[in-house]
Formats: sequence, structure tokens, C-alpha cells
Amino acid sequence: SQKIEQNSEALNIQEGKTATLTCNYTNYSPAYLQWYRQDPGRGPVFLLLIRENEKEKRKERLKVTFDTTLKQSLFHITASQPADSATYLCALDGTNAGKSTFGDGTTLTVKP
Amino acid sequence: DTAVSQTPKYLVTQMGNDKSIKCEQNLGHDTMYWYKQDSKKFLKIMFSYNNKELIINETVPNRFSPKSPDKAHLNLHINSLELGDSAVYFCASGDRASYQPQHFGDGTRLSIL
Repeated sequence: SQKIEQNSEALNIQEGKTATLTCNYTNYSPAYLQWYRQDPGRGPVFLLLIRENEKEKRKERLKVTFDTTLKQSLFHITASQPADSATYLCALDGTNAGKSTFGDGTTLTVKP
Repeated sequence: DTAVSQTPKYLVTQMGNDKSIKCEQNLGHDTMYWYKQDSKKFLKIMFSYNNKELIINETVPNRFSPKSPDKAHLNLHINSLELGDSAVYFCASGDRASYQPQHFGDGTRLSIL
């Protein structure tokens, strides 16, 4: 069966460091992958999308990589700030356009 | 100018009752979704409507019935509420074409007593 795993439930890092979050999947051939941010009491907010034929995508301090051989995506936040503290979700989308399957999230805490 | 709005934000009710959650989007998207997020933060799709037509219906009890009066609205009605229905329910919208992100509401926290 399809499975999506995000590296750890919680990740704590020091301000200024780079946070790296992992999304691994099995039994899935996604057409593209998305990363969302979710704050407590709020809905997920879209951050970045990367297609299966793309290796890397950047947006300001955010970078996403997508390795379809390893079946893995890495999400990096450089120069992290306490305001980056949130839960980050990866979502995979296959050929059934519009149906996203979400991972269980990693809660990032950036300490000042 | 909330893009995806759902009401109510909190819903506390007794087991066995029937309740509805409403969702509206003003983004002009053609597809709307209902997700359930359990206590472990796992976000699972329940239903999806494209231009008022049901296109995704995951394994959800018949007690849950979505209704889309038009493409800007998708409501969720739940009959005979059970303890296991306690969760946060999120509405989302997007365009069905590939490579489009979804926009989420802020959720309805349903608590069954």
C-alpha cells in the first residue's frame, strides 16, 4: 500500500541554522510533490511545488529537492528564524489530478 | 477577504446528533475538498467535488454526506455523530488541473461528548 513518511515528528534547531525535513514515500509514482506549512489552529498553507522532472526548486529561504529514484523529497529552510516554527506537511499527487495524499507532518521548533 | 471560509470554527455536540459544516471559497476554483485531521495531525481526504460533481469519495461512512449547491460552496452534513468523529475538518479549494496547490480554510474543530 502507498505510504508517506516524514522524517521525525519533531525537529528542534537553533536560530540561524538550516532546517532539513524529509519526506519519503513507497508504492507511489507522484506526478508532483508539494510542501505546506500549518500553524496551530490554522489550515495548511501552500509553500512550494516540485514536479517529477524537476530536481530542485527555490523560493527565498526555502529549497525543495525531489529524487524519484530514492523516492524522497528534502525541504530546507536556511537561516531559520523562530517565526519558522510550525508543522510542515508534504503532499504527493499522482495522475488522479486533484487528489493529494499528505504525510503526517514534522513539527519544527526554532529556538532563539 | 477570506479565500476559503468555513463555519462554525468550533462545534461541540452530543453523540447521536446531526450537524452540518459549511464552506465557501471566493477564489473562483472549480474543485473543493473535505479533509479530516485526527489528533495525530494526519490529514486525510474525504471528498472532492469538481463543478458540483463528486469526483473523489474515499472510504467514509454513509453518515457523512457532502453537498455542493454551486462550485463556490461545499457543505458537509454528518448524521448520528459518534465519538470517533471528533477531529478537525478542513475544507479546501483548488483548480483540478495538475500542478495546482490547494487553499485551505482554518478548520472546524468537532468535539463529540
